[in-house]
Amino acid sequence: RKEVEQDPGPFNVPEGATVAFNCTYSNSASQSFFWYRQDCRKEPKLLMSVYSSGNEDGRFTAQLNRASQYISLLIRDSKLSDSATYLCVVIDDKIIFGKGTRLHILP
Amino acid sequence: EAGVAQSPRYKIIEKRQSVAFWCNPISGHATLYWYQQILGQGPKLLIQFQNNGVVDDSQLPKDRFSAERLKGVDSTLKIQPAKLEDSAVYLCASSFSGSYNEQFFGPGTRLTVL
Repeated sequence: RKEVEQDPGPFNVPEGATVAFNCTYSNSASQSFFWYRQDCRKEPKLLMSVYSSGNEDGRFTAQLNRASQYISLLIRDSKLSDSATYLCVVIDDKIIFGKGTRLHILP
Repeated sequence: EAGVAQSPRYKIIEKRQSVAFWCNPISGHATLYWYQQILGQGPKLLIQFQNNGVVDDSQLPKDRFSAERLKGVDSTLKIQPAKLEDSAVYLCASSFSGSYNEQFFGPGTRLTVL
């Protein structure tokens, strides 16, 4: 099993829809989790941290399921500007980025 | 506030040549990271510095890659000699202190090895 796995997509979703991504991790001792966003040919930027109790920032909700060892990102009322690659990051004794999930929002 | 600076932005070299990349982190950030991002993949951590000490270099191919962060501020990453498979974007990032803080990335250096 890979250390961090993401569905590569692409996810093609109509504007206004809700979309969710999962990211699974293999090390149960992992301590910190993040979602980064990367636009085409740009650098990654932090979207949000993932807290044990779950957290929300506007249209974005991140959750952690330690029992099943995955984190999730939910985007509600998707906008054209949400089109990007979403990278999950898992930190135990090292920093591991997933391969990313590509999202295309369709007008 | 100025972001993470990297240079050059693009570099094309032939295999077996040497290349060096430079990074200047955000002022006051103690932690500096170098990542390699191959097309279609996520960034892979090559080396992490805390001030001028190495925290993690377990994925750095030490037979050809080297990095230093003298004086705990800017950093250089060198590849000598380059191989075709080194073609990638090399990203530098910094964080206030430690890997549990938000990382701020520079624009990257796009390396093509012919």
